[in-house]
Amino acid sequence: NAGVMQNPRHLVRRRGQEARLRCSPMKGHSHVYWYRQLPEEGLKFMVYLQKENIIDESGMPKERFSAEFPKEGPSILRIQQVVRGDSAAYFCASSQGAGNQPQHFGDGTRLSIL
Amino acid sequence: AQSVTQLGSHVSVSEGALVLLRCNYSSSVPPYLFWYVQYPNQGLQLLLKYTSAATLVKGINGFEAEFKKSETSFHLTKPSAHMSDAAEYFCAVSDQANQGGKLIFGQGTELSVKP
Repeated sequence: NAGVMQNPRHLVRRRGQEARLRCSPMKGHSHVYWYRQLPEEGLKFMVYLQKENIIDESGMPKERFSAEFPKEGPSILRIQQVVRGDSAAYFCASSQGAGNQPQHFGDGTRLSIL
Repeated sequence: AQSVTQLGSHVSVSEGALVLLRCNYSSSVPPYLFWYVQYPNQGLQLLLKYTSAATLVKGINGFEAEFKKSETSFHLTKPSAHMSDAAEYFCAVSDQANQGGKLIFGQGTELSVKP
């Protein structure tokens, strides 16, 4: 059973470039969550998606960040015009449902901004 | 609003000693609670979950946690620490106030195990 797959594992961008982070959920999971882990901080929720729908984006910065989970293919977290403060580990999690269903995490994408 | 507090950002124990990692939660509804472990440069692995069934929950790797409503606590324990338990541990509550059940995490506790 393949777990949650994230790629790339490491991503280096220069300020002003775009970063695209991909997440393929576990087989049979239709709920995807993105979290960000900043240095010396815990994990913070960013966005929750189901196929073709954004359900909760209350943790997303208002500008430059967007997410999608198309009918076919992985979920994408997109960061436009990256800045140094975007350097972090970004984790994707998937679950079979919301609430009491456990979320299973990928190994994350570590984004570094030069 | 729901929240989680983990007491102690660093805990150090000797190999073979009891492990106790503290977690207190705040929730206006019966909570769903989780403990995750994170090894360096890896994602989070689910240790155990509480979803309103038995108050003593057994997880993987010999860990267990007890839900105590009166104390709003969900502390993680293991009778005998092993070197391989050294990692960061996160307690989380599922946010049921909003649609979707996003996880609200504590700040994490780094566990060190001395030989």
